[in-house]
Amino acid sequence: GAVVSQHPSWVICKSGTSVKIECRSLDFQATTMFWYRQFPKQSLMLMATSNEGSKATYEQGVEKDKFLINHASLTLSTLTVTSAHPEDSSFYICSARSEGDGYTFGSGTRLTVV
Amino acid sequence: QKEVEQDPGPLSVPEGAIVSLNCTYSNSAFQYFMWYRQYSRKGPELLMYTYSSGNKEDGRFTAQVDKSSKYISLFIRDSQPSDSATYLCAMSAGSGGYQKVTFGIGTKLQVIP
Repeated sequence: GAVVSQHPSWVICKSGTSVKIECRSLDFQATTMFWYRQFPKQSLMLMATSNEGSKATYEQGVEKDKFLINHASLTLSTLTVTSAHPEDSSFYICSARSEGDGYTFGSGTRLTVV
Repeated sequence: QKEVEQDPGPLSVPEGAIVSLNCTYSNSAFQYFMWYRQYSRKGPELLMYTYSSGNKEDGRFTAQVDKSSKYISLFIRDSQPSDSATYLCAMSAGSGGYQKVTFGIGTKLQVIP
C-alpha cells in the first residue's frame, strides 16, 4: 500500500526557534498533501492543504505566517513552525492520498516547545 | 451539529467479543468512507476504504455503509488485546487527492484479556 514518511517523529525546541517537519510520499506522487494537528484526546484538526507548486490553503483560524508550508515537489511537503511557543506543542500529522485508495498518514511528529 | 458524529467511548470489551463501532453523518455528498486505527502517539492507520453503500470485509474487519440512513459501522470479530486503540471514521465527497476528509472524534476501544 501507499506509504507516507514523516520526519522527525519527535522534536523538542526552545521557545522562539523554528522547527521544520517533512512529509514524503514514498511510492506515489501527491499533488496535494494535508497537515493536521491533534491535541490529546481530540480528533484530527485540519490545518492546511498543501498544493504542489502553489500556495497552501489554510483553514480558518490557522496563522499562515506561523505555519509555513512548502510543497516543492510531487513527493515532498514541509511544515515549518516559526517562532514556536509552548502553546504550539502538539502532535502534527501529514497525509496524502494515492489514486483509488484512502488517505495515508505519516507517523506524526510530536513537537514540544520549552 | 457536527458533520460527523462518533461516540468517543471508551468502549471496553472482553477478548473474543464482537465489537461494533459506528458513525453518523449529515452531509449527503459523502461517498467515500474510511476507518482508521490510531495507537497512542502514532499516525492513523487505514483499515478499511469503501465507496457508497454496502459491506466490505477484510479478515476480522467488516465495514458497512448505509447511505440512506447516513450511518456507517465497523465490526471487529474475535477481538484481541492488540485491537485496543482509537478508531476513527472518516469520509469524503470525492476520490481525488485534493478532496478534504472529515473525521469523527474517534472511539477509544479497550479489549480486556
